[in-house]
Amino acid sequence: QSVLAQPPSPSGTPGQRVTISCSGSSSNIGSNTVNWYQQLPGTAPKLLIYNNDQRPSGVPDRFSGSKSGTSASLAISGLQSEDEADYYCATWDDRLNGWVFGGGTKLTVL
Amino acid sequence: EVQLVESGGGLVQPGRSLRLSCAASGFTFENYAMHWVRQAPGKGLEWVSSINYNSGRTNYADSVKGRFTISRDNAKNSLYLQMNSLRAEDTALYYCTKADSSGYLSYFDYWGQGTLVTVSS
Repeated sequence: QSVLAQPPSPSGTPGQRVTISCSGSSSNIGSNTVNWYQQLPGTAPKLLIYNNDQRPSGVPDRFSGSKSGTSASLAISGLQSEDEADYYCATWDDRLNGWVFGGGTKLTVL
Repeated sequence: EVQLVESGGGLVQPGRSLRLSCAASGFTFENYAMHWVRQAPGKGLEWVSSINYNSGRTNYADSVKGRFTISRDNAKNSLYLQMNSLRAEDTALYYCTKADSSGYLSYFDYWGQGTLVTVSS
């Protein structure tokens, strides 16, 4: 049972816009910034979004992040086949005094 | 280019020890905190431990506290994870990750390819 709740397996068609949610509590998302990681099949995770809504250089602007209260979201617009991957949210938890991850969301591009 | 190369994984019996290493290059290692994150086969990511830039502060997940010890050698640009009293549930791919700043409250911005630890008799 992950501290941060993510939907299990959304899907979308090429060109579509999909949103992946990440739900937490006041001790984690409610008081700290959220980061998102993309893990392509068989590879190490890669930073996708940091500090709620910032994109590292090289990440397409099709990817965007937002946070409101104790929830965060990752939006992917203009879905492409290469976006098929696992996506994880992560943040610091003040109560647990440690980093916490969401359970991961496996995005399928139909 | 930032590179993180883990080593030291392998098959180990329950109750035994293993020491993981991570060789870092492409950045000024001594200026950044570092983390270990693991991923059990077919499962999600789990944070394991963090250390700040000068080893002054360390932090551990409850699941490994008292059994694992994180350390670093800034002169050798290396990060370590000493794992004692290993259990079957420690079986995972262990990733070395770089923090964005000197303190371990900063996110993981670069990841290595991981080293696999299998705990089994």
